[in-house]
Amino acid sequence: GENVEQHPSTLSVQEGDSAVIKCTYSDSASNYFPWYKQELGKRPQLIIDIRSNVGEKKDQRIAVTLNKTAKHFSLHITETQPEDSAVYFCAAAPYNNNDMRFGAGTRLTVKP
Amino acid sequence: NAGVTQTPKFQVLKTGQSMTLQCAQDMNHEYMSWYRQDPGMGLRLIHYSVGAGITDQGEVPNGYNVSRSTTEDFPLRLLSAAPSQTSVYFCASSLAHHPGNSNQPQHFGDGTRLSIL
Repeated sequence: GENVEQHPSTLSVQEGDSAVIKCTYSDSASNYFPWYKQELGKRPQLIIDIRSNVGEKKDQRIAVTLNKTAKHFSLHITETQPEDSAVYFCAAAPYNNNDMRFGAGTRLTVKP
Repeated sequence: NAGVTQTPKFQVLKTGQSMTLQCAQDMNHEYMSWYRQDPGMGLRLIHYSVGAGITDQGEVPNGYNVSRSTTEDFPLRLLSAAPSQTSVYFCASSLAHHPGNSNQPQHFGDGTRLSIL
């Protein structure tokens, strides 16, 4: 099955700086790559996703890039704010979404 | 819409007891799934269902049963609880993939925190 690795496990940045989280996946059949944000004690919430026919996608301060050849994708957060502090998870799923595998998570801390 | 509703929010069991975690969604989503979340291990897929009457195993299915008698409900049963099943359990749902329609985002419930002594 799919194996998703996520780095780093913890990331601390100063408010206003950028943060980058990277993921690699093993199964070339994976076609859908969502990113979830989870605040302490809360449910994971989708913040952005990308499909394999797209190389980059942006939504305000958040962007995701995908390199299918190298089997890696990254989350970029610009102009970080304290409210961006949370655990972020990447995931990969095949075209039919039936078996979505998650990375182990990155705990992001944004210092004011 | 209430979205994905999980009950109970917290539960403590003794080793060997059985129980059912409830999950219901009111979005008419065909696809439903159960994950467990353990520290440092992300979310691991236990079982999933692509529609009423259809279930399949995920990454870590041992010790758990599921059924899908209706589109709305997808209960998870622990047959004989073990301390290794202490975890936070999340249910999720999404529209299913259809030809010509790409993957759909999964919506998560608030989770059930389960402790087994």
